[in-house]
Amino acid sequence: DAGVIQSPRHEVTEMGQEVTLRCKPISGHNSLFWYRQTMMRGLELLIYFNNNVPIDDSGMPEDRFSAKMPNASFSTLKIQPSEPRDSAVYFCASSFVAGNTIYFGEGSWLTVV
Amino acid sequence: KQEVTQIPAALSVPEGENLVLNCSFTDSAIYNLQWFRQDPGKGLTSLLLIQSSQREQTSGRLNASLDKSSGRSTLYIAASQPGDSATYLCAVTLSGTYKYIFGTGTRLKVLA
Repeated sequence: DAGVIQSPRHEVTEMGQEVTLRCKPISGHNSLFWYRQTMMRGLELLIYFNNNVPIDDSGMPEDRFSAKMPNASFSTLKIQPSEPRDSAVYFCASSFVAGNTIYFGEGSWLTVV
Repeated sequence: KQEVTQIPAALSVPEGENLVLNCSFTDSAIYNLQWFRQDPGKGLTSLLLIQSSQREQTSGRLNASLDKSSGRSTLYIAASQPGDSATYLCAVTLSGTYKYIFGTGTRLKVLA
């Protein structure tokens, strides 16, 4: 299995630009998570989908952030407009059943200048 | 609000030493607990998962224990090797919500 696939791996963008991060979960997994990792705050859960439906988005920092899961094999996390404080590593993860072993992608390293 | 703490934040040991990493959580109403390894520039890899009804899990040189009542878990690494150098994170899954709450990790360095 290819694992959780994220793109892009690295992105540098200017403040105010729109950023779209993409994720393909492991086939057959029905739970998908978006996390953000920074040195100051560690790993923070942004949003959690189950069967393509957003279950908990309480971690989404503000309205500039949005996430979609149009089908079982694809999800996006969008930041519009981006700000320097959004610079972080964004991880997508999936699990077969919510609460079971969770598998992470390699992350998308975002720098907003 | 569930809080997960890992102490120490960093640890340096000589090769061959047995070591213990600690994880504590404030709310015992958890569904399970997982230990992860993260190498620099990489994602997290799940090492062990302990269900709330279990006391421990073993995989090779790794043994993880869980004491729900005291809100503690330990990860025991036997005969450490330089290849074990990484950051180790624990995460608890909240009952009813299945949200994973992560600790801040212990950065381990095993010296050759």
